[in-house]
Amino acid sequence: EADIYQTPRYLVIGTGKKITLECSQTMGHDKMYWYQQDPGMELHLIHYSYGVNSTEKGDLSSESTVSRIRTEHFPLTLESARPSHTSQYLCASRTGVNTEAFFGQGTRLTVV
Amino acid sequence: EDQVTQSPEALRLQEGESSSLNCSYTVSGLRGLFWYRQDPGKGPEFLFTLYSAGEEKEKERLKATLTKKESFLHITAPKPEDSATYLCAGVYSGAGSYQLTFGKGTKLSVIP
Repeated sequence: EADIYQTPRYLVIGTGKKITLECSQTMGHDKMYWYQQDPGMELHLIHYSYGVNSTEKGDLSSESTVSRIRTEHFPLTLESARPSHTSQYLCASRTGVNTEAFFGQGTRLTVV
Repeated sequence: EDQVTQSPEALRLQEGESSSLNCSYTVSGLRGLFWYRQDPGKGPEFLFTLYSAGEEKEKERLKATLTKKESFLHITAPKPEDSATYLCAGVYSGAGSYQLTFGKGTKLSVIP
């Protein structure tokens, strides 16, 4: 069973607000990921990290930023939320080279 | 560029009507292939990992198989609760080993 947690599960926020989406895992995984997914659409990788103090941008350009100062924690921050940021954000983690990733339950973000 | 392509995009089955979902992938450098199930509004749930051609994994009504160029997810006598989007993903050697390459998914609907 995967032990990866995202908070909040749902968030409705006004335009221009700063928000941080939290992601934590207790499996000691070195690699962590953030995906963005619109309803019924494919997953898009927006950020990933392969260890403490390493972060990389993914395939989809995003105005968000991430940090990785602890192995278990990989928060995503939007400095100024806009309606175009409305989406589901999924966090995942894995370890090793050939292994599967485990996902959190997601944060459904709505910017009004 | 590493690619994972799933077909069909959507599949409607009558309860009890067995079928297969297809995942074709870029062969060169594949280190592992994964199947996930995703319910609406939730994060993907890991199902199977396959590493080499000829390998098979089973769980309840699902069986995943891997050939040299594609993978199949066979669903035997499906029930309405099997309705979900099924995702296929690959991990590749080199710099790509830090990321999973996802297909767009097959949306399965099982009609009672």
